[in-house]
Amino acid sequence: DSGVTQTPKHLITATGQRVTLRCSPRSGDLSVYWYQQSLDQGLQFLIQYYNGEERAKGNILERFSAQQFPDLHSELNLSSLELGDSALYFCASSAPLDDRSGNTIYFGEGSWLTVV
Amino acid sequence: EDQVTQSPEALRLQEGESSSLNCSYTVSGLRGLFWYRQDPGKGPEFLFTLYSAGEEKEKERLKATLTKKESFLHITAPKPEDSATYLCAVQAYSGAGSYQLTFGKGTKLSVIP
Repeated sequence: DSGVTQTPKHLITATGQRVTLRCSPRSGDLSVYWYQQSLDQGLQFLIQYYNGEERAKGNILERFSAQQFPDLHSELNLSSLELGDSALYFCASSAPLDDRSGNTIYFGEGSWLTVV
Repeated sequence: EDQVTQSPEALRLQEGESSSLNCSYTVSGLRGLFWYRQDPGKGPEFLFTLYSAGEEKEKERLKATLTKKESFLHITAPKPEDSATYLCAVQAYSGAGSYQLTFGKGTKLSVIP
């Protein structure tokens, strides 16, 4: 158990709909990352937050957005869903950068999204 | 642009048959190279971080090594429970105090009893 908690584990929704994925980082971790994993693309970095502020953006679509709240949990919002958005969405967290263990990024178990 | 290439894509081994997985990379300013294990439908599980050429780390039947251009994950006398996809990732500075991981597509290892 990495200590990163994601909900829901599975969800099925229709095209055009909107969903929210939730993540609680490991205790003490300030950074939260979101990744997308599909069969043909591997793990793709979407976005990073550090202590409530957006820190880096990767290949995140404009239809997707995220935020990190004061209690450090994070949500990834996916809207106007398309069939191609079906994937595993992972949240990950890491310790503060001034912590020696801050290099390591720990992953949750993921949220399976199926768009039908 | 940071690139990570893993080979082979898939590997079948008999139980006890040792082998190595390769991860070659190009990156500007490597901060660390990571190995993760991923079981089907699960999140990547952290195995090792390597920081400089010549460094080695071991955990049970796994040993990771690093050179300036590639890393190897050596599996000694594997067991069926070692079957998984092994992911390599490089961490580099991406600006604004942020370090990002770029992943390879992984090597799917199957160990046959």
